[in-house]
Amino acid sequence: GAVVSQHPSRVICKSGTSVKIECRSLDFQATTMFWYRQFPKKSLMLMATSNEGSKATYEQGVEKDKFLINHASLTLSTLTVTSAHPEDSSFYICSARGDRGNYGYTFGSGTRLTVV
Amino acid sequence: KQEVTQIPAALSVPEGENLVLNCSFTDSAIYNLQWFRQDPGKGLTSLLLIQSSQREQTSGRLNASLDKSSGRSTLYIAASQPGDSATYLCAVNDNNDMRFGAGTRLTVKP
Repeated sequence: GAVVSQHPSRVICKSGTSVKIECRSLDFQATTMFWYRQFPKKSLMLMATSNEGSKATYEQGVEKDKFLINHASLTLSTLTVTSAHPEDSSFYICSARGDRGNYGYTFGSGTRLTVV
Repeated sequence: KQEVTQIPAALSVPEGENLVLNCSFTDSAIYNLQWFRQDPGKGLTSLLLIQSSQREQTSGRLNASLDKSSGRSTLYIAASQPGDSATYLCAVNDNNDMRFGAGTRLTVKP
């Protein structure tokens, strides 16, 4: 079945630094990838939608200059949290949707980001 | 804008009990609906995917139904086990993106 690999699973960084999270579709081409953020005991909130080769579409309230998304190939999307602050600490999950099939989504295993 | 609501927010049951989790959505123009399981601090595990043309899907002890016209879905768990303890998320796909409910936190007591 479709597999999405997300890396790293956990990262701790200092305030002011940048962190890159990778999301790869391992056995299918993902024309569209999605990035979600989850606060403790809350549901997932869509941050942005990225289509291969074009600029990401950000949800209202999400700073595009802070959360840089690159979807340079059909199997890789990256989320870079720039100038991280403690309030950026959260659980980030990516998902991918392929071109064909039942339009089900496949999710990565998530990244726990802690900014200290 | 699609809104997804899950009831109850939390549920605690003794082992062996059958239970139903509810999900409702405001816009019936959906492609499909997916139920996920999330263990604490972990990612999502897809449980069942129901296409808009389907009424239900079954996998083992799980059965999910979909009534698109009324904007409702249920996840039925038979003979619950302690290992079923997790948060269950309902997500609606309208082909633009997925919208998630806040989840139901299930605890199955031995």
